[in-house]
Formats: sequence, C-alpha cells, structure tokens
Amino acid sequence: EADIYQTPRYLVIGTGKKITLECSQTMGHDKMYWYQQDPGMELHLIHYSYGVNSTEKGDLSSESTVSRIRTEHFPLTLESARPSHTSQYLCASSDGTSGSRVQFFGPGTRLTVL
Amino acid sequence: DAKTTQPNSMESNEEEPVHLPCNHSTISGTDYIHWYRQLPSQGPEYVIHGLTSNVNNRMASLAIAEDRKSSTLILHRATLRDAAVYYCILRAWGETSGSRLTFGEGTQLTVNP
Repeated sequence: EADIYQTPRYLVIGTGKKITLECSQTMGHDKMYWYQQDPGMELHLIHYSYGVNSTEKGDLSSESTVSRIRTEHFPLTLESARPSHTSQYLCASSDGTSGSRVQFFGPGTRLTVL
Repeated sequence: DAKTTQPNSMESNEEEPVHLPCNHSTISGTDYIHWYRQLPSQGPEYVIHGLTSNVNNRMASLAIAEDRKSSTLILHRATLRDAAVYYCILRAWGETSGSRLTFGEGTQLTVNP
C-alpha cells in the first residue's frame, strides 16, 4: 500500500488568503507530482520534481509554487487564493525505471475558494 | 504515449469475475501497459502493470495478448468497492522524469449487488 499523505483533505477559504497544501511520502521516491482535477474531468499536471532542489512547471499554467527541500516533502503554495483555484489537488510520487514507473497518489485536497 | 481504446462502460454482479478489455494496436516494443482506477471523489489508484507476460497481484490479474495489441484486466471477484473508472495507459520507455499520467475516457465499471 502506498504511503503518501496530503493535508488538509478539505479546505474552504476566502479570496486573497495564502494557503499551503502539504504532501509527504515515506517511500523514498525521488519524483513527485502535483495534479489538478475537476470532478469528472481529466488530470492536469501543474508541477513536478525530479528530486531535492529540482522543480518544474507542468502542462497547466498555475499561479501556485512548489518547493522540494526534502525528498519526502513537496508542498504547494498559493500566495493569493481566488475562486478560479477551486478544484481538487492531487499529489503523487514515483520511482523505478522508465516505463515501469508507477505513480502512487495521495487522497487529494479539495479546495474551495469563496 | 500510444493511444488505447476501452469500452465506455461495463456492468458486473457482485462476486462475479470481471474482464475489462483494452486495445492498444500501436503499442511499441518497449511500452509498458499500466492500469489505474479512480473511485468517486478520490485520487487515481495504481492497479497493475506489465510488459509481455501475464501479471498477478493482490488486486487483479493482467492478461496480455501474444502480439501485445490488446490486454485484459481481470478482477476475479468483483465487490461493490470495485465500482470505479478504470484506465488503461501505455508508458513509454525513455520518457522523461516529468512525464505526466494522461488518462483517456476509461471504462466506468458498475457492480450490482
């Protein structure tokens, strides 16, 4: 069973607030990902990391930022939340060789910005 | 990644086996076949993957055709908790570390009590 955790699971917040979504994994995986997904819609990659001190933007333009100071921790920060940021945010990690690399997902954070 | 084709929906009865098909006629020789599923309001969950040989794990079995142009995910005894959208995807050898998971439409599995 995958050991990847996200907090909070649910967050309702007002416009303009700064928020940080936490993601941790205990599997020692070098690669981590943040996806955004609206109900019934496809996954969109917003950030990924090869390893410590390595982060890249994904396909979907996002006003969020990420950091990777420790292998196990990959937080996502929104400096000023807006209603358009309302969505589910999914963190994932992976290891293994190309092709066989499996991504393990956390339970997600459902964010609502009022 | 090469394209896969799955039926939009399938139905099964509880405690019966379920065979979920996937066609991938343009698969290359080093593409891995992965299956994920997503339950309502949850993140995707890895199910199983394989390259050429059939694979078994505690969740399911994966049967891969000899020509690798199709595969079948087998749930041996469906439970109500198996109701989900099942995605079959191909993962290419040599992909970059930033390669994202891209799911197609998937198959919506309904399990009847």
